[in-house]
Amino acid sequence: IAGITQAPTSQILAAGRRMTLRCTQDMRHNAMYWYRQDLGLGLRLIHYSNTAGTTGKGEVPDGYSVSRANTDDFPLTLASAVPSQTSVYFCATRPTSGRGEQFFGPGTRLTVL
Amino acid sequence: GIQVEQSPPDLILQEGANSTLRCNFSDSVNNLQWFHQNPWGQLINLFYIPSGTKQNGRLSATTVATERYSLLYISSSQTTDSGVYFCAAHGSGNTGKLIFGQGTTLQVKP
Repeated sequence: IAGITQAPTSQILAAGRRMTLRCTQDMRHNAMYWYRQDLGLGLRLIHYSNTAGTTGKGEVPDGYSVSRANTDDFPLTLASAVPSQTSVYFCATRPTSGRGEQFFGPGTRLTVL
Repeated sequence: GIQVEQSPPDLILQEGANSTLRCNFSDSVNNLQWFHQNPWGQLINLFYIPSGTKQNGRLSATTVATERYSLLYISSSQTTDSGVYFCAAHGSGNTGKLIFGQGTTLQVKP
């Protein structure tokens, strides 16, 4: 089934721990994105990748890193989680970076204690 | 960068009523989308509509790019239409990021 999968669905994490959120797509879209959604702040871009092998910083990149080794996977890593990273994280894809419809995965709810 | 504003922030309807949600954006856009975030938190694509009019069942949308606004029409609303409706826009630049409005929270009562 075509689409975007994210794992885990939810996670409770102790502060200071390392965590990788996974995102996989089978739509062969070039561009991929990570957003976080916080109450009152809407969705904000963390990192993006216009094509495999390239990444860039969004609005709120601090504390996060990404890699794009292939077209399908775009993992987001929190090297040392802090409570302010408690949020819902959405992965998104788009056929190309410049134009076209953007599609969102189901999200990962992360709580850092 | 682009700013996106939505109105109204909250809306309560009786089942069967019609409604219009508005999205204003501050600059020209390459991409304008409407989403529905359901009570389970999923973001459902409704329309990709940088200009013109589209219809999908009881929903339709119109974007007037020259006047920098978009409208989402919901007709004969149902309780399953409840949730938050977001408008999001992408202008120039190579990040491709969508700038989201703050959303309209819709509650449809039976």
